[in-house]
Amino acid sequence: QKEVEQDPGPLSVPEGAIVSLNCTYSNSAFQYFMWYRQYSRKGPELLMYTYSSGNKEDGRFTAQVDKSSKYISLFIRDSQPSDSATYLCAMIPMNRDDKIIFGKGTRLHILP
Amino acid sequence: DGGITQSPKYLFRKEGQNVTLSCEQNLNHDAMYWYRQDPGQGLRLIYYSQIVNDFQKGDIAEGYSVSREKKESFPLTVTSAQKNPTAFYLCASRGPYGNQPQHFGDGTRLSIL
Repeated sequence: QKEVEQDPGPLSVPEGAIVSLNCTYSNSAFQYFMWYRQYSRKGPELLMYTYSSGNKEDGRFTAQVDKSSKYISLFIRDSQPSDSATYLCAMIPMNRDDKIIFGKGTRLHILP
Repeated sequence: DGGITQSPKYLFRKEGQNVTLSCEQNLNHDAMYWYRQDPGQGLRLIYYSQIVNDFQKGDIAEGYSVSREKKESFPLTVTSAQKNPTAFYLCASRGPYGNQPQHFGDGTRLSIL
């Protein structure tokens, strides 16, 4: 079983819709969770960083962590064509310094 | 503005040639990383360094070498021993604590001539 599973997509949604992106993980040692956005031919850009179960909101983005189910989500409200990108989840375990584990990314297309 | 600068943006390698990818950061970060990104494979760790003059192999270090002579700089050499070097290479850095997120440069695309 892979440590982090992420559906590669592509996911196509109409402009203005709510987008839900998800990752599941198998290692209960993961304690810190991140979402990155990567545009084509660019490096990943940190969107959200959380370290506890529950929700964290930043503008149109909400990160949700459910440690009991080993499941994290990123919600994008009022989606825009500029949100079209690949979204990578990432996790850091306790007691394993310098080992961030990345999902393979979900390609998202927002249709005008 | 603080950040990570990778150069060049595009690089071409001839058979049997070594090439070096540059990564410079002005974030005052101790830890730096090199990843390779291939379509459908996600990010794979090549090498990382937690401090000057020290570095460790990642998951796919064969055919690559690095140096860390300065805090700001972590160049990656793709040697002729790397038989499939065509990929997008990303450099990242992190603050002083292991639970902090990594920040990335904008990558170098390496292709074979």
